[in-house]
Amino acid sequence: GAVVSQHPSRVICKSGTSVKIECRSLDFQATTMFWYRQFPKKSLMLMATSNEGSKATYEQGVEKDKFLINHASLTLSTLTVTSAHPEDSSFYICSAPRGVSDYGYTFGSGTRLTVV
Amino acid sequence: GQQLNQSPQSMFIQEGEDVSMNCTSSSIFNTWLWYKQDPGEGPVLLIALYKAGELTSNGRLTAQFGITRKDSFLNISASIPSDVGIYFCAGQLLRSTNAGKSTFGDGTTLTVKP
Repeated sequence: GAVVSQHPSRVICKSGTSVKIECRSLDFQATTMFWYRQFPKKSLMLMATSNEGSKATYEQGVEKDKFLINHASLTLSTLTVTSAHPEDSSFYICSAPRGVSDYGYTFGSGTRLTVV
Repeated sequence: GQQLNQSPQSMFIQEGEDVSMNCTSSSIFNTWLWYKQDPGEGPVLLIALYKAGELTSNGRLTAQFGITRKDSFLNISASIPSDVGIYFCAGQLLRSTNAGKSTFGDGTTLTVKP
């Protein structure tokens, strides 16, 4: 149980276009999801906390208008990278809490974004 | 904010050897978590620790929650090639995962030579 599906796994887009990444909890409901960015050989950098039915909470230094987060249902959160530039190329990962009594997080398999 | 210092940054070991890595924090955590990340994948939870002093095993993996609540270690015994990957520690301040968020260490990259 506690499976998180992330899609797409890889995407290549042209500079200036927008890309949407989906994160779905398949067998549980997630009122909260987290979005991370990871650079090569680096740790996970929390970008924002996605809250179902309300606005996302962004970490300091993360541009809200650049990285749009929508959490419209208990099983789906989306991250849209708007007007993508090459410096936005990275590995993006979502995660959701495993449950009230089970600490820790289930992570999606990640999305490799390459902006050309 | 809280910071986690994870060491070593990388390890190169021979198959069959034991491995030890640790994390220290400048402040207290209520929960310590250890994850493994394979290349191109998201991290997978290995062990969760909930109480200071707790020692928990998962197969060849053993992790401990430090008494001071500011540190944790992970041991891997008799390493095998599939142990290769990046290991992350993470600390949570609040007990409820729906309310808290994890702080991650910088990871330990493990290479196992056959």
